[in-house]
Amino acid sequence: GAGVSQSPSNKVTEKGKDVELRCDPISGHTALYWYRQSLGQGLEFLIYFQGNSAPDKSGLPSDRFSAERTGGSVSTLTIQRTQQEDSAVYLCASNLKVEGYGYTFGSGTRLTVV
Amino acid sequence: SQQGEEDPQALSIQEGENATMNCSYKTSINNLQWYRQNSGRGLVHLILIRSNEREKHSGRLRVTLDTSKKSSSLLITASRAADTASYFCATDNTGNQFYFGTGTSLTVIP
Repeated sequence: GAGVSQSPSNKVTEKGKDVELRCDPISGHTALYWYRQSLGQGLEFLIYFQGNSAPDKSGLPSDRFSAERTGGSVSTLTIQRTQQEDSAVYLCASNLKVEGYGYTFGSGTRLTVV
Repeated sequence: SQQGEEDPQALSIQEGENATMNCSYKTSINNLQWYRQNSGRGLVHLILIRSNEREKHSGRLRVTLDTSKKSSSLLITASRAADTASYFCATDNTGNQFYFGTGTSLTVIP
């Protein structure tokens, strides 16, 4: 597609429920990132996918968080047993991973855990 | 932490004035990028400056990089109300992630 697409735009869920957030990167972009941004804060790195390499999961805050990227394209971030502190905007970005290119971000998913 | 730090945290100026934001970082980098964020959603890439560059221009934007001081500045000239947003610097080293600062909130008063 023309840009990075994320769905849903907004998600309200009850504490303890599981949620899935989807990211559809720009076609041909080999690198895909998930970041989290709490209200008024900077971006917190979660996970990075690059081609067929093993993902860098070093930013995932707990084992309740997992992500996969199928066929080197669409990615799903899953949060199990959601907690109120998981409330944030989850941002996905993709890139050609070529030196000198910036990242294209999606519009994010605003997750609210009540 | 390799996280960039923007300064000031908030800036309010009159339309037509110039806005300057600064970013400091801690480790050596391949490049540094500036992003704009409106209404707390997706970030828009503004400009990238490589570690071997000292200054770069793009329209009303001017970015400088001083690797000896590990700092960068973003200058927006002749600001407009539409420039109101949060601005983030992000550093790229040899790792797998960009390190974002906490941002500068810019308000341009018409």
